[in-house]
Amino acid sequence: SAVISQKPSRDICQRGTSLTIQCQVDSQVTMMFWYRQQPGQSLTLIATANQGSEATYESGFVIDKFPISRPNLTFSTLTVSNMSPEDSSIYLCSALSGSSYNEQFFGPGTRLTVL
Amino acid sequence: SQKIEQNSEALNIQEGKTATLTCNYTNYSPAYLQWYRQDPGRGPVFLLLIRENEKEKRKERLKVTFDTTLKQSLFHITASQPADSATYLCACLDDKIIFGKGTRLHILP
Repeated sequence: SAVISQKPSRDICQRGTSLTIQCQVDSQVTMMFWYRQQPGQSLTLIATANQGSEATYESGFVIDKFPISRPNLTFSTLTVSNMSPEDSSIYLCSALSGSSYNEQFFGPGTRLTVL
Repeated sequence: SQKIEQNSEALNIQEGKTATLTCNYTNYSPAYLQWYRQDPGRGPVFLLLIRENEKEKRKERLKVTFDTTLKQSLFHITASQPADSATYLCACLDDKIIFGKGTRLHILP
């Protein structure tokens, strides 16, 4: 199994600013993902963080708004840029430790509030 | 568009009974279906995966079924306990993973 930690656990930010969320896995993983979960809503995949190359973004999400880094097999960051109140959400990091999706683990999430 | 539907209303079940949660999908033929548990303020925790060629999968008190004709999965918790109270998410996987909104389950002592 893999244990995932995220920093910060929560933050309150002003409109127009940016926040970088860190995701650390306690072991090397094959794939890392970033999700968004708004209250009462399902998890929405933002992007797949690729080690050593640009992230793969889902429809509706762009690199300028959500730049992602993955410098190695255990760490990734997601930046929420030029924030607006609509970006208020929980942001979750997840990872696959094997080749199959039955080994997908999630971090505790970062609760972001934008004023 | 692809859609995953779970009962949005909370489900209240008496302790000791079997809780059954439903996941329906449309415009989709997932190769796999997963169930997760999510507690307030925590990330989802993987419980079970079932493949399209499997009818049923069990793990301790948990049982999942996958009916590709009805486009439905049922998630059962037998001998339910108050500690089973949580939100349960269904997720379908094909070329990408899509999550349902989840069903809140309350086990009443």
